[in-house]
Amino acid sequence: DTAVSQTPKYLVTQMGNDKSIKCEQNLGHDTMYWYKQDSKKFLKIMFSYNNKELIINETVPNRFSPKSPDKAHLNLHINSLELGDSAVYFCASSQGAGTKSPLHFGNGTRLTVT
Amino acid sequence: QKEVEQDPGPLSVPEGAIVSLNCTYSNSAFQYFMWYRQYSRKGPELLMYTYSSGNKEDGRFTAQVDKSSKYISLFIRDSQPSDSATYLCAMSLPSNTGKLIFGQGTTLQVKP
Repeated sequence: DTAVSQTPKYLVTQMGNDKSIKCEQNLGHDTMYWYKQDSKKFLKIMFSYNNKELIINETVPNRFSPKSPDKAHLNLHINSLELGDSAVYFCASSQGAGTKSPLHFGNGTRLTVT
Repeated sequence: QKEVEQDPGPLSVPEGAIVSLNCTYSNSAFQYFMWYRQYSRKGPELLMYTYSSGNKEDGRFTAQVDKSSKYISLFIRDSQPSDSATYLCAMSLPSNTGKLIFGQGTTLQVKP
């Protein structure tokens, strides 16, 4: 039973395309996140939702649009993909949005833009 | 200058060695400090969590926080080949958003 699952695991697409990544957690957590890990392994937060409400929106191009239909799901849609969007995108969840709640990460979606 | 600095390595040690991994940071307001372990092609998993300064031990792992020096460490005793992974430090402010600032990660290889 995977706690935080992301689909697809790999995504190869061309510049200019639009793609979506889906995330689901079965931990009963109320907060979900998207993090981006670049080729140098830097993990940086992009968005966070608590009870379907956006609470963190870092400086991310508006081509990236998160959507949380319910507490267990947080999807990421990316428009007009660029080469620089190539990275590993991690979904995570926690119980509560506070810093005392450890994050549980999925295994990532490897996005390659050609 | 990044908020959290971590030597990316790689660090290679023989099995049984004591490993020391470190991070420095610039924001004195950070209150919560974590170490995550990331195996290849996997997501990070939480190893250690400490609040403010002090030490915390869990089995072969010990986390130390020195807020006066803005320096945190993770020690691994009796290192095993299964410890080979990337170790990421992370820290956060005393806020209610759950935002973590990560270091770059140190790649560790423990050779049998």
